[in-house]
Amino acid sequence: GAGVSQSPSNKVTEKGKDVELRCDPISGHTALYWYRQRLGQGLEFLIYFQGNSAPDKSGLPSDRFSAERTGESVSTLTIQRTQQEDSAVYLCASSLSSPPYEQYFGPGTRLTVT
Amino acid sequence: GEDVEQSLFLSVREGDSSVINCTYTDSSSTYLYWYKQEPGAGLQLLTYIFSNMDMKQDQRLTVLLNKKDKHLSLRIADTQTGDSAIYFCAERGDTGRRALTFGSGTRLQVQP
Repeated sequence: GAGVSQSPSNKVTEKGKDVELRCDPISGHTALYWYRQRLGQGLEFLIYFQGNSAPDKSGLPSDRFSAERTGESVSTLTIQRTQQEDSAVYLCASSLSSPPYEQYFGPGTRLTVT
Repeated sequence: GEDVEQSLFLSVREGDSSVINCTYTDSSSTYLYWYKQEPGAGLQLLTYIFSNMDMKQDQRLTVLLNKKDKHLSLRIADTQTGDSAIYFCAERGDTGRRALTFGSGTRLQVQP
């Protein structure tokens, strides 16, 4: 079946502009995660959605970052007033809510802030 | 908070075994995972192990878990050039956050 998809695959934006990144999870996966991967580093957790529960926003680095999810489908990560340090690959993953909670990742969106 | 550490680089010859090591600090870890990332690609889930197991084998991959020492390893038998990639270990705790905590990745270079 279809995997996790993300769009756009690449985004170049000017400092100070807002950007929206989209994630389409695997159908039937109730859990959805956003991570950030800076060049040469591991993944940094941003936000987690589980069904209709309140999202876990504990990883968002500042109030310029926000995310929404419509039911158990598409999610959008929004970065307002982008800064150069926001340049990274933004990865989305989805999983079932039962063991072993395997997270399947999309190909990512490479964001470059100039 | 939780921390996961890995060595940065490993170089092996084609046909040899590779062993990639990982240590973690979260004593409540329930599942531990290994992911593979090839250049320009997303993360591919390779395998996982539940915390009450000490070994799991899946074709050329063997995962060893020493829960007492909080040490995880991934052994790749008969390493091929196609195994060249960055390998991440990740853990899922039993409390609080349900997201994974990742190590910074080990770059495996396979020389022909």
